[in-house]
Formats: sequence, structure tokens, C-alpha cells
Amino acid sequence: RKEVEQDPGPFNVPEGATVAFNCTYSNSASQSFFWYRQDCRKEPKLLMSVYSSGNEDGRFTAQLNRASQYISLLIRDSKLSDSATYLCVVMTPGAGSYQLTFGKGTKLSVIP
Amino acid sequence: ETGVTQTPRHLVMGMTNKKSLKCEQHLGHNAMYWYKQSAKKPLELMFVYSLEERVENNSVPSRFSPECPNSSHLFLHLHTLQPEDSALYLCASSQDRQAGNEQFFGPGTRLTVL
Repeated sequence: RKEVEQDPGPFNVPEGATVAFNCTYSNSASQSFFWYRQDCRKEPKLLMSVYSSGNEDGRFTAQLNRASQYISLLIRDSKLSDSATYLCVVMTPGAGSYQLTFGKGTKLSVIP
Repeated sequence: ETGVTQTPRHLVMGMTNKKSLKCEQHLGHNAMYWYKQSAKKPLELMFVYSLEERVENNSVPSRFSPECPNSSHLFLHLHTLQPEDSALYLCASSQDRQAGNEQFFGPGTRLTVL
């Protein structure tokens, strides 16, 4: 089983749609979770951290289910500018430090 | 704008060349990272430095040699690379290596090995 698994997409959605991305992780010891966004030919940038109680930032909602080892990202009222690849990132404690593991990413295209 | 810069942005080299990638962070961070991003693969962590000391080397071939002369600068020295090493090489930094710390990425160097 891959450490961090995401549906690669692409997800092609019309403007204004709601879209959800899922991510599963294999290491139950993982402690911190993030969604990063990567635009085409650009570097990844932090979109939001994912907290146990779930958290919302404007049109973006992140959820964590530790029992199922599952993370989700919901985007409401999609904008053209939301088109990007969304990377699920998991931080797991190791020997004296933490290891970040990235998923392959889910590509989103928002269509006019 | 990102506080992490990388040079060069693009590099084409032959298998017998020696080149170096440079990364500089202006954020006052204590940890720096090299990642490799190949097409259709997740980002792979290559090296981690914390307070200028290498703390992780994720089984990277010796043809990649990192150097961290101070907490603001990170280099990746390349020699006798293979075509399969062609990828986007991303540098990142974070405040330290504690859980929850955001990593800030540079724009990357797109490397092509002929």
C-alpha cells in the first residue's frame, strides 16, 4: 500500500461547482496533515493544515478521519483560479524528527 | 513572493558534466530540504539539513552531493548523472523540524540530463 494515496484525476468541473478530493495514508503514527497546491510548472505552496476537528478557510474545508486514515478537501463555488494540482501531505514522526510524505497529487481543472 | 530562491531555474547537462544547484532562503529558518519531483511521481525527499547539519539522506545515489555552508544556503552538487535523473529539483525550508511547521518551497531547478 502506498504511503499517501490520492486519486490523480483530472477532475474537470464547471465554475461554481463543488468538488471533493480524498487522500488516504498508511502510517497510523502520522500526526500532522496538510493540503498543498501546485500550479503548473510552479512550486508547491501550503493551502491549509488539516486539524482533527476539521477546519474551514473561505471556500475550502478540510476534514481528517484518523480511524479511517483519511483526509479530504472540499472546494465550494469553484473558481477558474482554483485550477491546479492539490497535494496531500502527511507528517510522521521518525527517529528524532518528522518525515513529510507527499501524495502524487490530484489535478483540478475548472472550466468556464 | 517566496522567500526561497533557487538558481539556475533550468539546467541541461551531459552525463559527464559537473554542476551545482543553489538554494537560498531569506526567512531565518533552521531547516532546509532537497526534493526531487519526477513526472507522475510524488515529491521525493532527498536530503534534510537542520542547523547546517545533515540529518537525513533518503538513500540518494552518491552522484548527488549536498552542502550546507550556513543556515541560509544549500547546494546540490551533481556529477556523472543519468538521464533518469532529469526532474524538477525543489529546495524548501521550514522554521525547524517540528510537527506542523509549514515548508516553503523555492521555484525549483528543472534539470535535463542528456
